[in-house]
Amino acid sequence: KAGVTQTPRYLIKTRGQQVTLSCSPISGHRSVSWYQQTPGQGLQFLFEYFSETQRNKGNFPGRFSGRQFSNSRSEMNVSTLELGDSALYLCASNAQQGAIHEQFFGPGTRLTVL
Amino acid sequence: DAKTTQPNSMESNEEEPVHLPCNHSTISGTDYIHWYRQLPSQGPEYVIHGLTSNVNNRMASLAIAEDRKSSTLILHRATLRDAAVYYCILRANTGNQFYFGTGTSLTVIP
Repeated sequence: KAGVTQTPRYLIKTRGQQVTLSCSPISGHRSVSWYQQTPGQGLQFLFEYFSETQRNKGNFPGRFSGRQFSNSRSEMNVSTLELGDSALYLCASNAQQGAIHEQFFGPGTRLTVL
Repeated sequence: DAKTTQPNSMESNEEEPVHLPCNHSTISGTDYIHWYRQLPSQGPEYVIHGLTSNVNNRMASLAIAEDRKSSTLILHRATLRDAAVYYCILRANTGNQFYFGTGTSLTVIP
């Protein structure tokens, strides 16, 4: 079974630009979560998508948005980039069997904002 | 958001047991306790989870206090490959909303 794929792996942008990151979950998984990881704040939950609908949302400004397609692939978008948006963005493919919830993480996209 | 508190760092000698503590005094009755770990330059990976009873799997054991306000991840024999940041997470019974704390950085000494 293929793992979680995230593209691109590395990205450099300048302040004010926008960026789109992509995540392909494990085949058969319908839920995808996004996280931002920075040295200062650790891993912070951005949002979760299930069957093309945002199901949960973390405490991030509206510049951070996402969507999910019918094939479960997900994208997240950050508009008007700020220096503080430099981070590792992780996507997790969510598996649920009854009460068992397990997240399978991708390798992440390293975003640098200059 | 339910929160967890973990020591910033711990050390262990190779092949000795490691007990990683986590406090979660605001846990609700339906929150699950999950542990993930993150190896250098990788995304987090699942270790173990539980609700009320102690749990064992091939990677580790999870001991949950009777009042559920704390838990301990037990690695029975630490190896160099176990050097990672270990996160204790509470997950609400609904959805996949995981809130990671700052984690414990485990150093394994050969």
